[in-house]
Amino acid sequence: ILNVEQSPQSLHVQEGDSTNFTCSFPSSNFYALHWYRWETAKSPEALFVMTLNGDEKKKGRISATPNTKEGYSYLYIKGSQPEDSATYLCAFYGNNRLAFGKGNQVVVIP
Amino acid sequence: DAGITQSPRHKVTETGTPVTLRCHQTENHRYMYWYRQDPGHGLRLIHYSYGVKDTDKGEVSDGYSVSRSKTEDFLLTLESATSSQTSVYFCAISVWLAGGTGELFFGEGSRLTVL
Repeated sequence: ILNVEQSPQSLHVQEGDSTNFTCSFPSSNFYALHWYRWETAKSPEALFVMTLNGDEKKKGRISATPNTKEGYSYLYIKGSQPEDSATYLCAFYGNNRLAFGKGNQVVVIP
Repeated sequence: DAGITQSPRHKVTETGTPVTLRCHQTENHRYMYWYRQDPGHGLRLIHYSYGVKDTDKGEVSDGYSVSRSKTEDFLLTLESATSSQTSVYFCAISVWLAGGTGELFFGEGSRLTVL
């Protein structure tokens, strides 16, 4: 079983503030790391896919940085907006499957 | 839209009855997955398939079986449903990317309640 840990489990952020959260994963045999965004009553959707030699990924106000040697990744939201409220899932790719963490639930308070 | 449909979307059944959930894709992707989602556990892999008649177990496979007789359909069966299998089930397909990893596209989920 691939152990993927995400922290904190949930966080409340004031609109306009920036925030970040962490995913830790096995640093050995790294192949790829995924971040998914999961809004309530919808299905998860991919945000970023980071491979071994990947750099920081950015999509609008959201960015992700991988540290494959030490086995962690940060997801950073700049200037949080209410539409950023969602659960953000980190997933480690290995053996043709993705192992998901339990997610970071983000609530942006207007 | 990755062309994934799950059926049924909602089902209520009784303990001990068999249940089959269907995942259908329209784009001939090789890899398909079944996950379950439970509060406090995130998404956990039940079974996956890497081709017709080729399947393998995930981390929570006990009590579940799968079949894939054609590329477009991946069936998840609970032979004798138990209350612990009350969950939301997500099917996903993997779309391969440059770099050798696959991005998952999910179906809309099937909510199963076992009384």
